[in-house]
Amino acid sequence: DAGVIQSPRHEVTEMGQEVTLRCKPISGHDYLFWYRQTMMRGLELLIYFNNNVPIDDSGMPEDRFSAKMPNASFSTLKIQPSEPRDSAVYFCASSFGLNYGYTFGSGTRLTVV
Amino acid sequence: KNEVEQSPQNLTAQEGEFITINCSYSVGISALHWLQQHPGGGIVSLFMLSSGKKKHGRLIATINIQEKHSSLHITASHPRDSAVYICAVRLGLNTDKLIFGTGTRLQVFP
Repeated sequence: DAGVIQSPRHEVTEMGQEVTLRCKPISGHDYLFWYRQTMMRGLELLIYFNNNVPIDDSGMPEDRFSAKMPNASFSTLKIQPSEPRDSAVYFCASSFGLNYGYTFGSGTRLTVV
Repeated sequence: KNEVEQSPQNLTAQEGEFITINCSYSVGISALHWLQQHPGGGIVSLFMLSSGKKKHGRLIATINIQEKHSSLHITASHPRDSAVYICAVRLGLNTDKLIFGTGTRLQVFP
């Protein structure tokens, strides 16, 4: 298995533009998580899915952020419109159940200018 | 006060030394995770603990639920162990909302 695959690795966009981050979890994993990492706040959980259903989105900062998981092999995190304070590294992770560790993707470094 | 506190924030060691990183938390948890973040940014899940002790190679993780404390030990440290080590706690049995510590930056010199 190639692990959790995120794209793009780097994204630079102008303020106000729509940004879409993508994630392909490990086949067979039933949980998918989106995290954000900044220098100021460290790692934060944004949202997670179980069997493609969003379970907890309390970490999503505001309505500009949305996440979908249309099937077991794909998820997106969308920011519209983007703002400079959204600049961060966004990680996707997946797991099989809640009693095992996670596998993280390599992250997407987002810079909003 | 953060719900998850790690100490020390920064740690330097000579190759071969025994390393201990501590994590204390103030909330009820169902599990605790130790993560390793390499200088390139990638994150690896090292351990998930709900009680006792786990060992993997030169890494040992322990947890004391009553004292709300966990430790990560590295025996015979090596420069390739240089990374940020992050403690994270899972709040409840039916949720995987994690709260993260701020990390311990470890540098091991040859």
